[in-house]
Amino acid sequence: DAGITQSPRHKVTETGTPVTLRCHQTENHRYMYWYRQDPGHGLRLIHYSYGVKDTDKGEVSDGYSVSRSKTEDFLLTLESATSSQTSVYFCAISPPPGQGLGYGYTFGSGTRLTVV
Amino acid sequence: AQSVTQPDIHITVSEGASLELRCNYSYGATPYLFWYVQSPGQGLQLLLKYFSGDTLVQGIKGFEAEFKRSQSSFNLRKPSVHWSDAAEYFCAVGQNNNDMRFGAGTRLTVKP
Repeated sequence: DAGITQSPRHKVTETGTPVTLRCHQTENHRYMYWYRQDPGHGLRLIHYSYGVKDTDKGEVSDGYSVSRSKTEDFLLTLESATSSQTSVYFCAISPPPGQGLGYGYTFGSGTRLTVV
Repeated sequence: AQSVTQPDIHITVSEGASLELRCNYSYGATPYLFWYVQSPGQGLQLLLKYFSGDTLVQGIKGFEAEFKRSQSSFNLRKPSVHWSDAAEYFCAVGQNNNDMRFGAGTRLTVKP
């Protein structure tokens, strides 16, 4: 998707190893989000950021941490990967509250993570 | 608690037929409402959104949705489905940048 890039696109890792996924945006949007997508669950929010160094937990944050040292980059780290974290991970961005949630989110193309 | 329900997990329609995908929500006040589409291996793309005004909203790719406050629904419609519409569709609701909730999705199959 234009303006938002996720890397890597695919990753296979072993149980117990740390994994970092990267989201990079060129839209200068304040808000960034990490979601996971699993069959039957839709998208569930892991963590989000409302500015540089400002982050907060979502509904499924256990086992995940995030960092945002620059406006354009939002990193998601699985501290010790487990098989239950096998999923497709999506990053999204949105304008700040003053511009209205009416703009909706812009999503990246996703990272398919397999933990073996 | 906030929730979004898409009652249909999978729908199959013939090409050229009409389509309606259902979405019901539970929320303290009228939230912003969205429909997204996801093609295989891709991220979600915004189809349309509603937050005030005319309850019938038009979106991209010939889709429209109608907000019905009394039924807490925001159903997606298309008069004539094309084979390229085969995808998964997600309804989402939220009021702030940090409380967007997504439904579980409806997978659309289009028969020739």
